Formats: sequence, C-alpha cells, structure tokens
Amino acid sequence: DGGITQSPKYLFRKEGQNVTLSCEQNLNHDAMYWYRQDPGQGLRLIYYSQIVNDFQKGDIAEGYSVSREKKESFPLTVTSAQKNPTAFYLCASKGGHDRAHQPQHFGDGTRLSIL
Amino acid sequence: DAKTTQPPSMDCAEGRAANLPCNHSTISGNEYVYWYRQIHSQGPQYIIHGLKNNETNEMASLIITEDRKSSTLILPHATLRDTAVYYCIDMNYGGSQGNLIFGKGTKLSVKP
Repeated sequence: DGGITQSPKYLFRKEGQNVTLSCEQNLNHDAMYWYRQDPGQGLRLIYYSQIVNDFQKGDIAEGYSVSREKKESFPLTVTSAQKNPTAFYLCASKGGHDRAHQPQHFGDGTRLSIL
Repeated sequence: DAKTTQPPSMDCAEGRAANLPCNHSTISGNEYVYWYRQIHSQGPQYIIHGLKNNETNEMASLIITEDRKSSTLILPHATLRDTAVYYCIDMNYGGSQGNLIFGKGTKLSVKP
C-alpha cells in the first residue's frame, strides 16, 4: 500500500545530542513537509520541500535541519541547538505541482523526548 | 493563528449522523475548505476538501454555504472509530508555502 512511513515511533535524546527522524513516502509526491505538534496545540511548520534538492524554512526552523536528496525521503535532524525538542513530529507529503489543490497526507509521527 | 472557528466538543450516538460545523468568516475567493481529523497519538487524516460545491467521498460529505462563510462535515453513520478531533482549514496553495494551520478543532465523541 502507498503511504508515508515515519520512524522510529518513539525516540529519546540526551542533552547535547543530535537525532535524525526518518520520513519515507512511496506516493511519488513532489512536496514534503515537517511539522511539530505540542500537547493540545495545532501544527507548526518546520521545513518544507517542493522538489528534490530544494527546501525552505517554515515558521520554526531554528535548531532543525533537513535534506532532500531523493524524492521519497525527507529526513529531519533535531540539533542540540533546539532547546525544547520534546514534541510530536509529523511528516506529510502532497502530490501535484506546488499550487495544486491536493491534500497533504501524514505519517503516524515520531514522539521525541529528552532524557 | 487559525482562521476558522469550531465548537470545542460534540457528542454523537453510534449509527447516527454527525454534523460538524465550521465558520470561515475570513475565507477568500481562492481558498479551499479542507477537513482533517486526528485520533490520539496518530497523524492527521485527510477527509475531504472543496471550493464551492458540495462534495462527497467514501468517508464523508461536505456542505459549503453559498456565501462560503460556513461549512458542515457530515459523517453519515458515525462509529466508535470516528471518535477524534476534527479540524477545518482554509487553504490556498497558490502563493503560499502550504502551511496547514490547525486551530483547536472539535473533539467528537461517538457514544454507544
């Protein structure tokens, strides 16, 4: 079945450590997104990519980095510069060109906690 | 901040229709109405979207008023698995970064 796979489901980070969250899609979608969700809150956009080898900062990019070397993969690194990384991280993808009104589809998220 | 307003919670009896309202007081002509839902500890699930006309798919129906200031998501025969937080969003991908801005949504509880 086509879909978006995020791994791991749960992740623990020590202070000062970088961690990388995986996001893979087999939907042949051009656009991919990373969001952060805090308890009881909506989504906040971290980074997005409309096409391979290109990505842009979202509203809260500080302390995060991404790469888009392959169409199907958009990994997110949470660096030690991110002072409050504990959150639920969601990856999404969207088909069609960047202005097409196709819905974003989400993975099941990675829950990151600080030890 | 979210542009839409929704009631914080609603109850529905299992097997009955669930009608979830949304106000889009500032929607512009080229913005679509999207509905998503989120079950606890899972990613949001796309339900349906539309511009002006009513839409129906295998999950739900979407009714948009003629002035587009309000919409209603209809789950025709609610089941216990439909218990979730439902979000309505105004979105125009053209000229925007495609940022989905979720408000607080409506927590739908389907009861036996």
